[in-house]
Amino acid sequence: NAGVTQTPKFRVLKTGQSMTLLCAQDMNHEYMYWYRQDPGMGLRLIHYSVGEGTTAKGEVPDGYNVSRLKKQNFLLGLESAAPSQTSVYFCASSYRGQVREQYFGPGTRLTVT
Amino acid sequence: SQELEQSPQSLIVQEGKNLTINCTSSKTLYGLYWYKQKYGEGLIFLMMLQKGGEEKSHEKITAKLDEKKQQSSLHITASQPSHAGIYLCGADMLIQGAQKLVFGQGTRLTINP
Repeated sequence: NAGVTQTPKFRVLKTGQSMTLLCAQDMNHEYMYWYRQDPGMGLRLIHYSVGEGTTAKGEVPDGYNVSRLKKQNFLLGLESAAPSQTSVYFCASSYRGQVREQYFGPGTRLTVT
Repeated sequence: SQELEQSPQSLIVQEGKNLTINCTSSKTLYGLYWYKQKYGEGLIFLMMLQKGGEEKSHEKITAKLDEKKQQSSLHITASQPSHAGIYLCGADMLIQGAQKLVFGQGTRLTINP
């Protein structure tokens, strides 16, 4: 099993550009999550999904959109990137109803200039 | 304000010394998790604590949850260079009526040889 994978690993964007981060998991998990990690802030939940075709807002959803068209994939989109979105983004997945023991991907380092 | 407060934010210790990292909340924690993150990598699950007074150990790392379930400590005995990294606590909390995993800011641990 590959676990949770994220692509790309690094990306530099200019303000106003758009991009999509891809998260994939091969563990048949129902729940998937997108977090951002910033210095001194820990991890903050952006959006999450409790199953294929469903998404919900987390703590800091503004400026991001997500989609869960397939159970194994969770996409995070930035329609118009801003410097404030410079961060490290982590995807995670977990079993149904199990917030505990989320499995994390390796992260995507995004810089917006 | 941060739902989970970690202290210290950074820690530098001599190899072989003991150290403690704390994680505190003003609310009751229904599940407390400790993760370790190496630079540029994802999070690795270390331990989960659920019951007041619970203590778990893994090799030279011990984590405790106090009786009131509002504070947890992570203790490393005889630290080694392999212990270096960022340690994060996470907890199940009710945020806007939904159960979510909330993280502390992280503690950056450096081990000097």
